[in-house]
Amino acid sequence: AQSVSQHNHHVILSEAASLELGCNYSYGGTVNLFWYVQYPGQHLQLLLKYFSGDPLVKGIKGFEAEFIKSKFSFNLRKPSVQWSDTAEYFCAASNDYKLSFGAGTTVTVRA
Amino acid sequence: ETGVTQTPRHLVMGMTNKKSLKCEQHLGHNAMYWYKQSAKKPLELMFVYNFKEQTENNSVPSRFSPECPNSSHLFLHLHTLQPEDSALYLCASSQDGLSNNEQFFGPGTRLTVL
Repeated sequence: AQSVSQHNHHVILSEAASLELGCNYSYGGTVNLFWYVQYPGQHLQLLLKYFSGDPLVKGIKGFEAEFIKSKFSFNLRKPSVQWSDTAEYFCAASNDYKLSFGAGTTVTVRA
Repeated sequence: ETGVTQTPRHLVMGMTNKKSLKCEQHLGHNAMYWYKQSAKKPLELMFVYNFKEQTENNSVPSRFSPECPNSSHLFLHLHTLQPEDSALYLCASSQDGLSNNEQFFGPGTRLTVL
């Protein structure tokens, strides 16, 4: 069965620290990959997506993710976090119309 | 403005009640989705509608009944639910049902079954 796993359940860090969230998927073949974010009290929104081409994808708010096919990974990174990055982050993957999500990682940024 | 609205935002119901959740998208999309979000678990896809036709029922119990009268509206009818059905129910839409389409999510309905 297709699945997406996120390595960290809860990450706590200070402002200006670097962030990396792990994501692995179990799909074979062509896969489309997404990172969504849910800020407190807000709806899920897309951070970035990868379909093909350059494996390093840049998204909104300074986030980027790298697709490593050999590792079935799509890790999310941000060099310097801000307090406003406190949110829940979801990795997702799809190779048809069905989107499979990871369980999410809660990121808490302390001022 | 998310473009996808859901009502009600909160719902408390007994196990014998019948209620409905409503989703409306203002984005001109042709595919709509229902997801269940439980604490500490991945979002679970429940139903997919593409051009008003149901294309996915992810083994959802019959006490959940979806309805898609047009491409802009999606309902989830609830009947004789169980306490374990308490969760956040999210609606989403996308341009169509292709896998590379971004899905746009609504704010969700927080459902509590007593």
